[in-house]
Amino acid sequence: AQTVTQSQPEMSVQEAETVTLSCTYDTSENNYYLFWYKQPPSRQMILVIRQEAYKQQNATENRFSVNFQKAAKSFSLKISDSQLGDTAMYFCAFMKTRFSFNKFYFGSGTKLNVKP
Amino acid sequence: KAGVTQTPRYLIKTRGQQVTLSCSPISGHRSVSWYQQTPGQGLQFLFEYFSETQRNKGNFPGRFSGRQFSNSRSEMNVSTLELGDSALYLCASSSRGTTDTQYFGPGTRLTVL
Repeated sequence: AQTVTQSQPEMSVQEAETVTLSCTYDTSENNYYLFWYKQPPSRQMILVIRQEAYKQQNATENRFSVNFQKAAKSFSLKISDSQLGDTAMYFCAFMKTRFSFNKFYFGSGTKLNVKP
Repeated sequence: KAGVTQTPRYLIKTRGQQVTLSCSPISGHRSVSWYQQTPGQGLQFLFEYFSETQRNKGNFPGRFSGRQFSNSRSEMNVSTLELGDSALYLCASSSRGTTDTQYFGPGTRLTVL
């Protein structure tokens, strides 16, 4: 069975600093996708970043980057120059793909508070 | 472009009733996915529809069903409601499927009394 673990229920960071959110997953699949989603308070969930397992290069989206360690089954999210608008729940998600039958598995989330 | 819309935004039902939730995807998007979000279980994938066909399915009982229409609008139905079905139900659309960027709607908050 696939599981996704986010071991940090809540984190705080000062504005302009860097923070790293951790995520580990367990799978026997070789082809899969990993995602980080952001859910701001009372707002809609949005995709932050996506990583394909077959790509060795870590994905980057502006201030957001990941450290993808396939052998260790680790997928951490680094947020640089944190902004107040980054305050949100962050969910790590794993999706296995097989013959286009995709299934999503989410972690329990990390609540990030960016302090002024 | 208009975003993903979900109706109704809030719903209160009693045990044993059934409920239908609606999702209108972004224009041009053919994939619609449904998720259940609860404090206890977190986010769970329900199913995905693509071009009127259910393409992927999570681990939910048969009481949860859905469909997609030719205009890509999707409905989710839950029959014989249980207290544990109280949740935020999120819908997401994408142009090709779950590996693409998914755009989420605001959700429907269902309360089962």
